[in-house]
Amino acid sequence: QLQLQESGPGLVKPSETLSLTCTVSGGSISSSDYYWGWIRQPPGKGLEWIGSIYYTGSTYYSPSLKSRVTISVDTSKNQFSLKLSSVTTADTAVYYCARHGLAAAGRFVDVWGQGTTVTVSS
Amino acid sequence: EIVLTQSPGTLSLSPGERATLSCRASQSVSSSYLAWYQQKPGQAPRLLIYGASSRATGIPDRFSGSGSGTDFTLTISRLEPEDFAVYYCQQYGSSNTFGQGTKLEIK
Repeated sequence: QLQLQESGPGLVKPSETLSLTCTVSGGSISSSDYYWGWIRQPPGKGLEWIGSIYYTGSTYYSPSLKSRVTISVDTSKNQFSLKLSSVTTADTAVYYCARHGLAAAGRFVDVWGQGTTVTVSS
Repeated sequence: EIVLTQSPGTLSLSPGERATLSCRASQSVSSSYLAWYQQKPGQAPRLLIYGASSRATGIPDRFSGSGSGTDFTLTISRLEPEDFAVYYCQQYGSSNTFGQGTKLEIK
């Protein structure tokens, strides 16, 4: 059964870069059928898609976050990572890694990580 | 960017009743690429419906989705105690956006 697990610091200072990694187990990140993405949820609020990556390294990002986001993939480790620069308190959220389909008809999220809380504070 | 507006914000019902949740898009959602998710406190969301009306694997048939264009609906025919949660819609026809959620609470 495919599982996703987020890891990274739970506390980041304002203006610094948030870095998280998602480890994929029970399946290969190099599958030709899926994208791997990041979604976040501020406390008490709704979901916000951040961006996604294909195993080849092809990415697409939310227009509102594009200038600050970098998503990368390491197929040898079966991992993908998120970097969000110049963070502010508004970036405090639970960050989820997720899988969705490659084809347009399949780009709903069918596997989620458990989520990791990141707090931006000095 | 397509904006999704869910209504109502909170829905108070009793077990056994029928729930109707709405998701309205600011532009037409191409090919009905709309999904619904259920989220319980402290948990990740769970996929319920994709393609506006197809149930995900293992989802009970009391959950159904309908709609096209800009108006979509999630219906829970007879509420079970475990159905009380927050529900989100997502469109994936033009990038990805989520609605703000509807909280379904016990009356």
